[in-house]
Amino acid sequence: ELKVEQNPLFLSMQEGKNYTIYCNYSTTSDRLYWYRQDPGKSLESLFVLLSNGAVKQEGRLMASLDTKARLSTLHITAAVHDLSATYFCAALRPETSGSRLTFGEGTQLTVNP
Amino acid sequence: ETGVTQSPTHLIKTRGQQVTLRCSSQSGHNTVSWYQQALGQGPQFIFQYYREEENGRGNFPPRFSGLQFPNYSSELNVNALELDDSALYLCASHLGGVITIYNEQFFGPGTRLTVL
Repeated sequence: ELKVEQNPLFLSMQEGKNYTIYCNYSTTSDRLYWYRQDPGKSLESLFVLLSNGAVKQEGRLMASLDTKARLSTLHITAAVHDLSATYFCAALRPETSGSRLTFGEGTQLTVNP
Repeated sequence: ETGVTQSPTHLIKTRGQQVTLRCSSQSGHNTVSWYQQALGQGPQFIFQYYREEENGRGNFPPRFSGLQFPNYSSELNVNALELDDSALYLCASHLGGVITIYNEQFFGPGTRLTVL
């Protein structure tokens, strides 16, 4: 059974600081996703990481994937208040029928002025 | 091209009642997945429908059932509602039974179900 663990679960940081969210998954996965969720809203796709060593960047967020370590990271550079949200990683593993995402518990990020 | 839509937006039910949630797939998508997201947790896979047939199921009891229609819209039905069924229900659609780099999955806005 594929399991996904994120840490930290809660992160409070000051504007301008850097930090990293970690995502470990337990078995082989085809790819790794990062989503953002604002309170009461749906999931916004941020990154899809397909292969070992993949790195993607968008603004102040950068995601990477190490398939050998079964680890993905989401690095936040010079945080701003607008980044406050909950961030989820999710691993995709095709099943014998169809495919499904297994999500981590989420990291609730609060960026303080 | 329209995105994934869900209805209703919010719903309040009492314990023991039955509820039906609806999802319209993104245009051209023939696969729908349903997820339950309890407060403070990550989404949990309920089941998937592909070409009107169930195509994978998570660890949810049989009182969670679904349908997919010829136009690929979908319903999630929950019988005998329990307090723990209170959650945000998300549907997601994609083309083909298996998600690939050529047919990614897109999530709808969700339905917030409250069971009193």
